[in-house]
Amino acid sequence: EDQVTQSPEALRLQEGESSSLNCSYTVSGLRGLFWYRQDPGKGPEFLFTLYSAGEEKEKERLKATLTKKESFLHITAPKPEDSATYLCAVQAQHQAGTALIFGKGTTLSVSS
Amino acid sequence: EAQVTQNPRYLITVTGKKLTVTCSQNMNHEYMSWYRQDPGLGLRQIYYSMNVEVTDKGDVPEGYKVSRKEKRNFPLILESPSPNQTSLYFCASSPPDRGRPYEQYFGPGTRLTVT
Repeated sequence: EDQVTQSPEALRLQEGESSSLNCSYTVSGLRGLFWYRQDPGKGPEFLFTLYSAGEEKEKERLKATLTKKESFLHITAPKPEDSATYLCAVQAQHQAGTALIFGKGTTLSVSS
Repeated sequence: EAQVTQNPRYLITVTGKKLTVTCSQNMNHEYMSWYRQDPGLGLRQIYYSMNVEVTDKGDVPEGYKVSRKEKRNFPLILESPSPNQTSLYFCASSPPDRGRPYEQYFGPGTRLTVT
């Protein structure tokens, strides 16, 4: 069964304290892995797409990496405005053109 | 501005009263989808559409209907809502998958309460 597990469920950081969020996946052939940011009561906002192991993408304080079993979202020197829930989703080979399988998310709180 | 819009944003209704949540995108995307988000369960797909007049069930389709008569619109219909359909609903769209999946763009959400 295809599965996406995110850890930790919640993470509290001080401003400037770098850390990483984990997304472990078990799918029968990965077509793509997606990271989204979601603010309370709002729709997920796209951050990154990763297609193959070894790939990395960066945007401001965020960097996403991918291996054959997991992805990391590294947050460097976070600011309070980075507080949100970060969602990981995968699309599997047998689901080409259809559903994303989402993890339950990591809720990040950054205090000043 | 490229966007996915949903209406209404908030809705409180009673059991059994038919309702429709509209979804529209202005990006000329072929693929559209509906998700529901519940605490502890995450986002789960209800229905999706690969193109006009082509729809299919997702993971949790029971109690829902959809139609895709135009490329830009993908309404979600609840013929006889029940309290277990109380949830936060999201519509999403993306360009067609031509060998590589594209990211999906999500609407702002519709919070539905069925009493």
